[in-house]
Amino acid sequence: DIQLTQSPSFLSAFVGDRVIITCRASQSISGSLAWYQQKPGKAPKVLIFTASTLEGGVPSRFSGSDSGTEFTLTISGLQPEDFATYYCQHLNSFPYTFGQGTRLEIK
Amino acid sequence: EVQLVESGGGVVRPGGSLRLSCVASGFTFDEYDMSWVRQAPGKGLEWVSGINWKGDSTGYADSVKGRFTISRDNAKKSLYVQMSSLRVEDTAFYYCARSYCSDGSCFWIDYWGQGTLVTVSS
Repeated sequence: DIQLTQSPSFLSAFVGDRVIITCRASQSISGSLAWYQQKPGKAPKVLIFTASTLEGGVPSRFSGSDSGTEFTLTISGLQPEDFATYYCQHLNSFPYTFGQGTRLEIK
Repeated sequence: EVQLVESGGGVVRPGGSLRLSCVASGFTFDEYDMSWVRQAPGKGLEWVSGINWKGDSTGYADSVKGRFTISRDNAKKSLYVQMSSLRVEDTAFYYCARSYCSDGSCFWIDYWGQGTLVTVSS
């Protein structure tokens, strides 16, 4: 089974900052990685799929990239509404595991 | 409007069984792969199980393999998970989720139900 290691698990930042969240896969997933944002009491919302494709309606300050088995989610110019928990997930093959999550808090 | 409505959650003793259901509406159910995802209160997301649109390919997280069985009835637009030998650590909200797939590959989960709570406690 493919494991995803997401880091950091907690991040504290100011409005306007640039933050990077990393997700490392235990083996090749052929770029089949999605990033989600989840706010308390709400269902997750997809931000990026296939590692770097921005979902429609998602602000361009969110971006994704991949380098082999290492994937990053970058948020450039944090806005107050971005403070939430972020998860990566691979959908290369069953089981479609999630990363452990990164809780992003306002400093 | 896409809707996924789960039911069947409740309180069960360790070692017990429970069957969750999810009824879909607002889309052509038999064209989509589906999954169950759970989230323990205050914890992260855990993908539990998935099934392809035809129902002939299934997958499970290691934590539930051999104890949970996913199935679907396309005529009833319904997804199920039969859970047995339940453990305290299975306590969580269970979400029915639709995957966006194309040409045999899946790319993301695009719709989620509101969740049903399963509590395993003596």
